[in-house]
Amino acid sequence: RKEVEQDPGPFNVPEGATVAFNCTYSNSASQSFFWYRQDCRKEPKLLMSVYSSGNEDGRFTAQLNRASQYISLLIRDSKLSDSATYLCVVIGSGNTGKLIFGQGTTLQVKP
Amino acid sequence: GAVVSQHPSWVICKSGTSVKIECRSLDFQATTMFWYRQFPKQSLMLMATSNEGSKATYEQGVEKDKFLINHASLTLSTLTVTSAHPEDSSFYICSALDNYEQYFGPGTRLTVT
Repeated sequence: RKEVEQDPGPFNVPEGATVAFNCTYSNSASQSFFWYRQDCRKEPKLLMSVYSSGNEDGRFTAQLNRASQYISLLIRDSKLSDSATYLCVVIGSGNTGKLIFGQGTTLQVKP
Repeated sequence: GAVVSQHPSWVICKSGTSVKIECRSLDFQATTMFWYRQFPKQSLMLMATSNEGSKATYEQGVEKDKFLINHASLTLSTLTVTSAHPEDSSFYICSALDNYEQYFGPGTRLTVT
């Protein structure tokens, strides 16, 4: 079983739609959680950290459920520029700083 | 935010040759850098953790004699792919750790013919 699992998609949605991505992780001792965005042939860029209390940044909302080992990302009012691959990332136990990446979920927002 | 550069951004080499990729932290010092590899439509896979002044720590399944890592200064780590084969063709990305946050380089696309 992969340490971090995501539905690879692709998710094809119209502009203005609300879309949700899910992610599960296998190591219950995982410490920190993030969503990264990766555009084609580019490096990943941090989108937002994910906290147990849930957090929101503009049109983006991230949620963490430690009991279910489940992370989500909600994008409201999708824009064409949101088209990218969204990577669920986990830092395991310990303080190594090692990031464990999910496969990524591809989003294509269409006009 | 902190800036990390990689050089070259892309390289084509012949099978059997060696290729060196540089990763530099431009405006901060990084005692720890990471090297990842990403094949098409797949996730980033951590290859090794590069520690300044000491030997790199390789992930399971990554050959340390094939992927030589040197972290000789606080701003530079290098990855050398030795005796490259076509199956080594991939997108190689480094990241540098600054205050518990990782900053990624722009990646190096390696094609081995």
